[in-house]
Amino acid sequence: EVQLVESGGGLVQPGRSLRLSCTTSGFTFGDFAMSWFRQAPGKGLEWVAFIRGKVWPGPTEYAASVKGRFTMSRDDSKSIAYLQMDSLKTEDTAVYFCSRFNDFWGQGTLVTVSS
Amino acid sequence: DILMTQTPLSSPVTLGQSASISCRSSQSLVHSDGNTYLSWLHQRPGQPPRLLINKISNRISGVPDRFSGSGAGTDFTLKISRVEAEDAGVYYCMQATQFPRTFGQGTKVEIK
Repeated sequence: EVQLVESGGGLVQPGRSLRLSCTTSGFTFGDFAMSWFRQAPGKGLEWVAFIRGKVWPGPTEYAASVKGRFTMSRDDSKSIAYLQMDSLKTEDTAVYFCSRFNDFWGQGTLVTVSS
Repeated sequence: DILMTQTPLSSPVTLGQSASISCRSSQSLVHSDGNTYLSWLHQRPGQPPRLLINKISNRISGVPDRFSGSGAGTDFTLKISRVEAEDAGVYYCMQATQFPRTFGQGTKVEIK
């Protein structure tokens, strides 16, 4: 069974950093691209970042709203994807979901950026 | 960026009847590999999104055949036949042809 579990969310002050983890199981992690999405309270879905699997070489992609502040990475040996979030802004407040490509999604982790 | 526009934004539906949601993209979603990466997702309150259909019309394993997708190029439709109570929620179209990935605004399906 494919499972994705996000962790690392919480309350953080503007300008600070947070690292989210997406721990996966039930599939060969290294073979799949992974994505992060987010959903601000009461709002729609927004794509955040994308990292390719080992089969497809290429750069990691970012939404314009997070480029230069967020970094997505992966550890294929641990089957975990990460989202390092620096210089956080209040508008980054959202539930963050990781997704295997776009087919399986985790339950999400809430990030609240507030002073 | 590709703009995705869904209509309607709200759809009250009687149990057992059909619902149809339209999604229009601001440019063609045909990828250079020949595929069209248009997906439909369903989200219930407090739950993560669930992928229903990808590449316009491919239903994901476990998704009832009451759900069907159609369309081409820039115009796409999700049809829900014989609506059941569990179908309530918000439906999103999403394009994965190009970066950045973009979503429609969402269509709220309410069961009357």
